[in-house]
Amino acid sequence: DVKVTQSSRYLVKRTGEKVFLECVQDMDHENMFWYRQDPGLGLRLIYFSYDVKMKEKGDIPEGYSVSREKKERFSLILESASTNQTSMYLCASSTYPITEAFFGQGTRLTVV
Amino acid sequence: KNEVEQSPQNLTAQEGEFITINCSYSVGISALHWLQQHPGGGIVSLFMLSSGKKKHGRLIATINIQEKHSSLHITASHPRDSAVYICAASSAGGGADGLTFGKGTHLIIQP
Repeated sequence: DVKVTQSSRYLVKRTGEKVFLECVQDMDHENMFWYRQDPGLGLRLIYFSYDVKMKEKGDIPEGYSVSREKKERFSLILESASTNQTSMYLCASSTYPITEAFFGQGTRLTVV
Repeated sequence: KNEVEQSPQNLTAQEGEFITINCSYSVGISALHWLQQHPGGGIVSLFMLSSGKKKHGRLIATINIQEKHSSLHITASHPRDSAVYICAASSAGGGADGLTFGKGTHLIIQP
């Protein structure tokens, strides 16, 4: 019973491309999150959304934007991909207040 | 903001050994999550718990709310258990800081 689905497990893109990472949850959760994972740095928050069309910057928003047009879908956008955005990206969703949280399987993005 | 500490950072053990990974957090939480990530692979949710103990196969997760501590145990460890294990704390207050992650424990089980 998959609850949080990320559109791709692996993605290879070229420098300068516009990249969309999609995340869909089927639990009617208010909160959705995008993180990136890098060796030695752990998981860092890029953006957070607490409602449709509402967003907050996380710790490392530079080079990223997000879109939440529908409650179930939260998209992470790399406007012009760069090699330093090569990373594992993880989506999560939760209730508000957070009584439960679920995680996607992650997307490994390589920018060449 | 919650601080989540995991120990050990790295652990190498022999097949069959009993494994314990620890996670402590600094403020009250609504739930504690354990995640597993195999080398080059995706992230899998193992457990979400807010009290007591949960068991799935050879994996057992426990939490002590008063001591702000959780453990992940693996019985009869196997090389396929080799992975990074991450604990994450969710805070009832929600918000951008609502999920806080440990840095992960890199486990290697040698045959």
